[in-house]
Amino acid sequence: TQLLEQSPQFLSIQEGENLTVYCNSSSVFSSLQWYRQEPGEGPVLLVTVVTGGEVKKLKRLTFQFGDARKDSSLHITAAQPGDTGLYLCAGSWDMRFGAGTRLTVKP
Amino acid sequence: NAGVTQTPKFRVLKTGQSMTLLCAQDMNHEYMYWYRQDPGMGLRLIHYSVGEGTTAKGEVPDGYNVSRLKKQNFLLGLESAAPSQTSVYFCASSYHPGQGNQPQHFGDGTRLSIL
Repeated sequence: TQLLEQSPQFLSIQEGENLTVYCNSSSVFSSLQWYRQEPGEGPVLLVTVVTGGEVKKLKRLTFQFGDARKDSSLHITAAQPGDTGLYLCAGSWDMRFGAGTRLTVKP
Repeated sequence: NAGVTQTPKFRVLKTGQSMTLLCAQDMNHEYMYWYRQDPGMGLRLIHYSVGEGTTAKGEVPDGYNVSRLKKQNFLLGLESAAPSQTSVYFCASSYHPGQGNQPQHFGDGTRLSIL
């Protein structure tokens, strides 16, 4: 049973488009982490969100933690082929990951 | 910086064979983890360790054993491999998760096929 539900499971878009992916749970998390995984490699941390309502920006990526600390979103502006990968969310302390969103950005 | 190193990178086993996957980290992390990754399932925690000499079960521990004899190494063993254990295995390490929301650092995985 996945405590963290990620949606959509797959997303294929053209370069330059905007997108949002989601990570939802019925549990409250003290913090939540987002990772990106490229083929043949392990996941790499992108950001940790800690405070309910918090917004963090990493270049063209914007991460938001829900007010109730049960959900999070990742918005990418003007996606580029280099953004292609598997995006995973994980609850801190819980050591559990969502199933991920596999993003493909076509040139 | 080596970070987290997993060996081997690839392995093919026959049903019933045994093997050990090795994970080594050079960051002096207290916590170490073993995950398996299957299509559509994300990462599922097999076992983890909060320090040298200690181990604990994760979500999917059946069929696996682990040992943490040294702080820098975490071994994952399959005593009698089954086709259902075909997967990509990832090792990770971190400082205590409560200390400033520490990230996990992952190795590049071991791709294991059981025939």
